[in-house]
Amino acid sequence: DAGVTQSPTHLIKTRGQHVTLRCSPISGHKSVSWYQQVLGQGPQFIFQYYEKEERGRGNFPDRFSARQFPNYSSELNVNALLLGDSALYLCASRMAATGLYEQYFGPGTRLTVT
Amino acid sequence: ILNVEQSPQSLHVQEGDSTNFTCSFPSSNFYALHWYRWETAKSPEALFVMTLNGDEKKKGRISATLNTKEGYSYLYIKGSQPEDSATYLCAFNYGGSQGNLIFGKGTKLSVKP
Repeated sequence: DAGVTQSPTHLIKTRGQHVTLRCSPISGHKSVSWYQQVLGQGPQFIFQYYEKEERGRGNFPDRFSARQFPNYSSELNVNALLLGDSALYLCASRMAATGLYEQYFGPGTRLTVT
Repeated sequence: ILNVEQSPQSLHVQEGDSTNFTCSFPSSNFYALHWYRWETAKSPEALFVMTLNGDEKKKGRISATLNTKEGYSYLYIKGSQPEDSATYLCAFNYGGSQGNLIFGKGTKLSVKP
């Protein structure tokens, strides 16, 4: 069975541009979470979606938005990119929204903003 | 501000050594604590989800304990092997059942053959 997949693997954008990152969860998993990881730090929570509804949002500006589709895949959108948005963006899925379940991570999308 | 602290930041051991790391988290409103293992160029891999005070979990040579009253968890690796080299992350579940995680910065373990 395929694990969590993310696309693209790498991305280079210019300041002010917009980016869309995509994530497909493990089959049967209904919850998807997004994290941002910068060098030297642990992953920082951005969003959680469950059954297409936002269940949690981290301390990120409104330039960050996300959505979940009926097939439980998800998109993370970032508008008006800043240099500080350069990071590894990780997607994780689990069976349900609750933290009692193990979370499975994808390989991440490396975003570079120049 | 909720904060998760991990120590040490990095650790270098010889093959065969046993080692342990610490994760400190807020002791109030505890819901769950997660441990992950993250090898370079791979995805973080879930090791344990711990929920009860006094919990002890084991997977092969890796085990973890949990003290929710004082807000800490220990991860132990017995007889470290070079393939254990990775960053070990802990994450505190806040927001009750919503499953939102706050991660520590991790402990980077290097095991020399």
